[in-house]
Formats: sequence, structure tokens, C-alpha cells
Amino acid sequence: GESVGLHLPTLSVQEGDNSIINCAYSNSASDYFIWYKQESGKGPQFIIDIRSNMDKRQGQRVTVLLNKTVKHLSLQIAATQPGDSAVYFCAENPGTASKLTFGTGTRLQVTL
Amino acid sequence: DAGVTQSPTHLIKTRGQQVTLRCSPKSGHDTVSWYQQALGQGPQFIFQYYEEEERQRGNFPDRFSGHQFPNYSSELNVNALLLGDSALYLCASSLSLQPTDTQYFGPGTRLTVL
Repeated sequence: GESVGLHLPTLSVQEGDNSIINCAYSNSASDYFIWYKQESGKGPQFIIDIRSNMDKRQGQRVTVLLNKTVKHLSLQIAATQPGDSAVYFCAENPGTASKLTFGTGTRLQVTL
Repeated sequence: DAGVTQSPTHLIKTRGQQVTLRCSPKSGHDTVSWYQQALGQGPQFIFQYYEEEERQRGNFPDRFSGHQFPNYSSELNVNALLLGDSALYLCASSLSLQPTDTQYFGPGTRLTVL
């Protein structure tokens, strides 16, 4: 399939370890944040979202943390699996419109 | 329930030509957004359609235009193709124009301009 993110920052983790992917956003007016996962040859897949009135939200094996003071977002993946290998993007939305602004992405490589 | 579908999967054009890409939204969704993703980068917003009208537009020239049909499907047209238009074109659909409505993406159309 197509290769996405040939020159992206890469995070390598061992299977079973926890992964933390970080993202700095730019717009202090952003109200809504989303993490997407993109596998090679596919479109971005929704993982989890968080509103600006929250600082933490949990899903199945994933947790998103939001620090509005320093405009930082992180995605934590528990017990990382080979199927988690992909490029991960954070996206922000100013809340007044529904267009998303994406970050540059991080490639997650899971080693056995 | 089918997700967002796009056609064609791949397309090769030459400079100066025109191209039309197609998108069918997820069932129940009435809002369609288009994004361009260059290799190694995150998607960039092109424009968004709702009720057959362009509602928002990103920083793209007028060579990029679109249309939404009564069944909510959408087309992206690019005229006078440039080499720099080579990219993955993604369509996303959402339930409505609400900023917090999740945008679900299709698999994309890979456009190569020679």
C-alpha cells in the first residue's frame, strides 16, 4: 500500500509496553481536539476526542490528556500491540467551524 | 453500514489537465469535507459542503472547486493541474456542521500529476 509519513518523527516501542505520543497545538482558541490513526494506504481513522473543558478522557486502551496552559496534547496507548503500528495525527478545531487543522504526525513502530 | 467511499483509488494525469474525484458520505451524514495530504504531511483542509453549498474554504486556489449533490455525495474538481497537486485526496463526512461532530474519513484518492 501507500507509504504515509516517510520523514515523520518515529516512536519505537516494544509490544506490551505503553506508548505516549505528544502533540503541540497552535491555536489557543481551539475548543476540540481529536486523535486519528492512519495506516499505510488508508484514510485517517478516529481514535478519541476531547473538549477543551476537559483535561483527560479515556477510551479502550487509549487515554488523551490535554494541557491548555502549554497547548499540549498527548495520546497514551496501553499494552501496545503490533496492530497499533501506524502514523498518529492530532487535529484541532477552533470550535467555531468544523474544519480540522492537523499536526505533522508521529509514526509508531511496535517491535516484537 | 458502508463508511465513506471514494473513487477512483488511483489516478494519473498530466500537467494542465483537469480531474474529478468523487465521494459518498457515511450513511446518515450530510456534511462533506475535502482534505489534501501531501506525502509525509498531515491532511490540509480544502473546503466543506453542506446543503449543496460550500460553507468553508481553506487556503487553496480557485482551481479547486467542488459540488455536493442532493444525495449528499460530493465531487472535488481540480483544473489546470500542477505537479504540486500530486497528493492523497481525502473526503470526510460528519453528521452535521457542528464542530464537535466526528469527521470520518474515506480511504482517499491518490492523484499523481506527471
